[in-house]
Amino acid sequence: GAVVSQHPSWVICKSGTSVKIECRSLDFQATTMFWYRQFPKQSLMLMATSNEGSKATYEQGVEKDKFLINHASLTLSTLTVTSAHPEDSSFYICSARPWGLTSGGEVETQYFGPGTRLLVL
Amino acid sequence: AQTVTQSQPEMSVQEAETVTLSCTYDTSESDYYLFWYKQPPSRQMILVIRQEAYKQQNATENRFSVNFQKAAKSFSLKISDSQLGDAAMYFCAYIAEYGNKLVFGAGTILRVKS
Repeated sequence: GAVVSQHPSWVICKSGTSVKIECRSLDFQATTMFWYRQFPKQSLMLMATSNEGSKATYEQGVEKDKFLINHASLTLSTLTVTSAHPEDSSFYICSARPWGLTSGGEVETQYFGPGTRLLVL
Repeated sequence: AQTVTQSQPEMSVQEAETVTLSCTYDTSESDYYLFWYKQPPSRQMILVIRQEAYKQQNATENRFSVNFQKAAKSFSLKISDSQLGDAAMYFCAYIAEYGNKLVFGAGTILRVKS
């Protein structure tokens, strides 16, 4: 249980285009999802917290107009990188926290998607 | 602010031997959760083990166990009978009870030698 998927796993796009990344919790509901960015051999950097039915909360220094987040349902959050530029190239990871208690009582645990590699040319 | 420190950027272990990865954290909270996540070359983050701060008993999951020292704010991970598949980046992470944000350490790269 507690599986999170991300789509696409790989995306290459031209500078100036927009890219949408989907994050889905497959076997649980998640009122809260999180979006991270990770550079090679570095730790995860939280970009924003996505709450179902409300606006996302962005971390300091993250441009909310550049990284649009929508949490339309209890199982889906999307991250859209608008007008992507080469400096946006990175590995983006989402995570989801189960709503309520799972059968294992795993409160506060975040489960991660497999990540999306974005390359902007 | 809460911080998590992993002081070992890289560690190596011989296959079948035991290795311990260190993690210390700083918090003023009394109730919180600690995690070890594994990130293999595929970059999928995998939950290895979880510890509730109110539990004195150290968590174990098969070959993985922790040494949780609440007073010292230390949370080390012991991997017994190391396997080639254990090679990965390991992240220690903290979250306060009812908190929203996971705080990650910088990570430790574990290499397993055959």
